[in-house]
Amino acid sequence: NAGVTQTPKFRVLKTGQSMTLLCAQDMNHEYMYWYRQDPGMGLRLIHYSVGEGTTAKGEVPDGYNVSRLKKQNFLLGLESAAPSQTSVYFCASNYGSPVADTQYFGPGTRLTVL
Amino acid sequence: AQTVTQSQPEMSVQEAETVTLSCTYDTSENNYYLFWYKQPPSRQMILVIRQEAYKQQNATENRFSVNFQKAAKSFSLKISDSQLGDTAMYFCAFMKQGNQFYFGTGTSLTVIP
Repeated sequence: NAGVTQTPKFRVLKTGQSMTLLCAQDMNHEYMYWYRQDPGMGLRLIHYSVGEGTTAKGEVPDGYNVSRLKKQNFLLGLESAAPSQTSVYFCASNYGSPVADTQYFGPGTRLTVL
Repeated sequence: AQTVTQSQPEMSVQEAETVTLSCTYDTSENNYYLFWYKQPPSRQMILVIRQEAYKQQNATENRFSVNFQKAAKSFSLKISDSQLGDTAMYFCAFMKQGNQFYFGTGTSLTVIP
């Protein structure tokens, strides 16, 4: 049971380049989330998904797209990277029920956009 | 809109002493959940403790306990017998029905030997 994994762990992009971050979970969780963490700002929700084939916008969705084609995977895409997207990105998942509501986090991806 | 405020950016405590981290939140919801997460230098987010708003009894997990004041919208974390391994960033988080989480800006705790 690997929990929540993220690929890659580190990445450096040039302005305008594109990339996809992959999040995978093996806990059969319905809900998955992408956050970004910036100094002094805590974690902010980018997009989330309440089940396979669904996505929804969070607090800071601009410049990102997501897809949830398979229940266990949640992809975060940057079509044209900007320096403002330099951040640490965390994926999280949970069952989505009122009882088992704890979010489990991946180890994070540090992205630098030059 | 939901907001979570942690007014202490940094704190320190002597090893074996007790420290309390503050958190307040703003919501119009009646049913919700509150959490404290720990983020050590490894960056991994680790759940410390959680509290259901409908429960009056404060949650406790070993050396960690909370003081939940629903009317005041306050949710503080008390760490007893502080250990060096408690050094980390601590985030308070709020979850309403629908499973959206809102995090505070964090408190950096240093345990001094």
